[in-house]
Order: sequence, then C-alpha cells, then structure tokens
Amino acid sequence: QLQLQESGPGLVKPSETLSLTCTVSGGSITTSSYYWGWIRQSPGKGLEWIGSISYSGNTYYNPSLKSRVTISVDTSKNQVSLKLTSETAADTAVYYCAGHSEVRSPFTSWGQGTLVTVSS
Amino acid sequence: VLTQPPSVSAAPGQKVTISCSGNASNIGNNYVSWYQQLPGTAPKLLIRETKKRPAGIPDRFSGSKSGTSATLAITGLQTGDEADYFCATWDTGFSTGLVMFGGGTKLTVL
Repeated sequence: QLQLQESGPGLVKPSETLSLTCTVSGGSITTSSYYWGWIRQSPGKGLEWIGSISYSGNTYYNPSLKSRVTISVDTSKNQVSLKLTSETAADTAVYYCAGHSEVRSPFTSWGQGTLVTVSS
Repeated sequence: VLTQPPSVSAAPGQKVTISCSGNASNIGNNYVSWYQQLPGTAPKLLIRETKKRPAGIPDRFSGSKSGTSATLAITGLQTGDEADYFCATWDTGFSTGLVMFGGGTKLTVL
C-alpha cells in the first residue's frame, strides 16, 4: 500500500517560488510504474490538476499553469517535487500529491495535503 | 468545464444522483471517475472508468454515462455519506491534454 506525504513551507511571499516535496513509502517511485501528480484545492473551492510525472520522468502540465510549473523526481530519496514560480494570493491552496497508473487514469493514492498560504 | 450542481440533499435511506456535464473533448470520449471528499480529508476514489468500483467501495455507489454527461448515484443514503463529490476526466481539447475536475457537489443527508 503506497503512502504519500507532502511537506514544505506553509507560508510563501508573493512573487516567490513555492517548493513542495512528496515522499513516497511502501514502494519505489520508479519500479512501481506509477505516475505522480500534484493537485490543489483553493479554500472552499474545487480541485485543480497541476501536473503529473511518469516513472520515467515524462512530464504533463496543466496548460494554464505550464509556464510556472516544474515537477521532478528524486529517485535516491523516493520523492516527487513541485516548484511553482511567481506566486500570488490566487495560489493559496491545499496542495495534494497523488499517484495514478497512467496520466489519463484516476488518482488512486493521495497524500493528506499541505496548506500553502501566499501572503506578505 | 465540467459542470456539477453545487449541492444536493436527500433523507437517509433515499437515493440521490449527482450529474456532471461536459463535452465531446472530455466526457464524450473518455472515462469518468468520481471522488468523495469527507470534511478535512483528501479525496478518495469512488468510481473509475465511468462505472467500476475500486475494492472496498460498496455497491450503493454507481456510475454511468450518456453522451457528454455522467452521473453518480448513491442509494441507501447514510449520514456518513455527507461529503463533497467531484467528477473528473481527461480532456483532449488542449494540445497536450489535461486532467479536468468538476466544481464539486456538496451532499447533505437530511
């Protein structure tokens, strides 16, 4: 059973870069043939897919965020990372890390989420 | 782009349906999944590939699709079903495609 845990700063200043890490346990992020995605949820709002990365490193981004997003994998630490540049208040949200078997497939494993507030 | 009613309600034991409306580039030509999000928790997959239930999901939950709309049905409502429900699918309307979620529907069990 895969377990995912997000970590990172709870507060980011406007215009700065958000960096989050998702640590995967219960399996290797490369040998499990999984895709790893980031999804966010603004307070009281719906879900927004940020992007996903395949076990081989291929990336897929939401077109609306593509210019600001980088998702990468650190196989030595079994971690997936998210970087989102030029933060604004609109990026305040709970950020979830989740796993799926293919980029078009539903997310079957989710982290608990981490709240990121963008404020000066 | 995926439209859901903001809220639905029904009494315990009753049946409720939640709709999810899209278009040909998303629901019309792709599988639909449904998630349940209990208050303060991460979403949980309820339905995959439009009508399949993952292991452990009771058969009170069912999914269907007709054209460019999908429906989640919940029978024998329980107070523990009070949650937000989201539909999701793949959208090929963009050059690289994207995962698209509905706006969510809050279910109240009266």
